Amino acid sequence: GQNIDQPTEMTATEGAIVQINCTYQTSGFNGLFWYQQHAGEAPTFLSYNVLDGLEEKGRFSSFLSRSKGYSYLLLKELQMKDSASYLCAVSDSNYQLIWGAGTKLIIKP
Amino acid sequence: SQTIHQWPATLVQPVGSPLSLECTVEGTSNPNLYWYRQAAGRGLQLLFYSVGIGQISSEVPQNLSASRPQDRQFILSSKKLLLSDSGFYLCAYTTSGLDTGELFFGEGSRLTVL
Repeated sequence: GQNIDQPTEMTATEGAIVQINCTYQTSGFNGLFWYQQHAGEAPTFLSYNVLDGLEEKGRFSSFLSRSKGYSYLLLKELQMKDSASYLCAVSDSNYQLIWGAGTKLIIKP
Repeated sequence: SQTIHQWPATLVQPVGSPLSLECTVEGTSNPNLYWYRQAAGRGLQLLFYSVGIGQISSEVPQNLSASRPQDRQFILSSKKLLLSDSGFYLCAYTTSGLDTGELFFGEGSRLTVL
């Protein structure tokens, strides 16, 4: 079956760095997405990786290793507004998105 | 600019009652449209998607149905709600397919079935 694994919850301190991991097993691969979802709101797009390596976008970076079925989202200089759930999703061979359950990130002052 | 709206934002319905959630996209033509359901502690579950008017693909057999009467309108319906239909429903669209573009979500509709 298809599976996306990510930690349920993480806690970090304001101003610090946190890395949220995602491992996947899917039938085919056409890219990996990270979305941010604040409580009670809809997800918003953060990043898309289809090739191995690191993609940097401001305070957020996303890494992909296709051979390992692994990705991480790196958040730097954490701010209180970064408290949210972070969803990992993989596009499979049929271009259907398989979603992880999300990682709830709690930022403490 | 492109926008997506869905309504109502919240609703509480008794078991056995009907349901209609509406979603409208503005600022683009011929979008791919999606209905997802999000249960607490679980990933987003794709319910229906549509690549054009009248074209609906169902991903999960269930108590729900979808229709696309116009290019930028997507409706999620049920004739008789079940307790298990409770959840957070999200409408979404893409303009270039999931292989290249991001998914844009509506505000979400929280359904509680009692």
